[in-house]
Amino acid sequence: AQTVTQSQPEMSVQEAETVTLSCTYDTSESDYYLFWYKQPPSRQMILVIRQEAYKQQNATENRFSVNFQKAAKSFSLKISDSQLGDAAMYFCAYRAYSGAGSYQLTFGKGTKLSVIP
Amino acid sequence: EPEVTQTPSHQVTQMGQEVILRCVPISNHLYFYWYRQILGQKVEFLVSFYNNEISEKSEIFDDQFSVERPDGSNFTLKIRSTKLEDSAMYFCASSVSRTANTEAFFGQGTRLTVV
Repeated sequence: AQTVTQSQPEMSVQEAETVTLSCTYDTSESDYYLFWYKQPPSRQMILVIRQEAYKQQNATENRFSVNFQKAAKSFSLKISDSQLGDAAMYFCAYRAYSGAGSYQLTFGKGTKLSVIP
Repeated sequence: EPEVTQTPSHQVTQMGQEVILRCVPISNHLYFYWYRQILGQKVEFLVSFYNNEISEKSEIFDDQFSVERPDGSNFTLKIRSTKLEDSAMYFCASSVSRTANTEAFFGQGTRLTVV
């Protein structure tokens, strides 16, 4: 069974600084997708960034980027130039490639990010 | 921007009572999901639904749970006889397709408290 581990329950960052949230996962599949979701106080989970396992290039979305290390099964999220609106719970999630197995998202426990003005 | 909406935002119920959690998925989406998050725990998959039937369910989704799409817009989760351990945040999600790269759009959740 797939598992996703986020070892940092809470993190804080100074506004305008950079922070990295860590995520590791365990799977026997070779093709899969990884996601970072953000859950602000409004509670709605919003997709931040996704990464295809077969792509070596790390995904980037504006100030958000990932460091995907497939061999190490590591998928960290880097937030650059942190803003107050980045304060939220961040969830790392895994999903198997179509046809390879389950379509459900498997989530980590989340990391609560605080941004200090 | 289209969004998934869930009602109510908070529901308190007595143990043993039935509850129905409601969700309106995004209108052109075909796949629907329920997840739950017990306080302090990870978000867990409950069930996925497509073409008016369950396509996948987890071990958590036992006979106490059921889902349906009664009118083509709402997607409901029913818990027949609630237990204290059913207290959690319940998230509905929908997606256009179910390929692994497809984004699942989540609602804001319903906080269920069983007393």
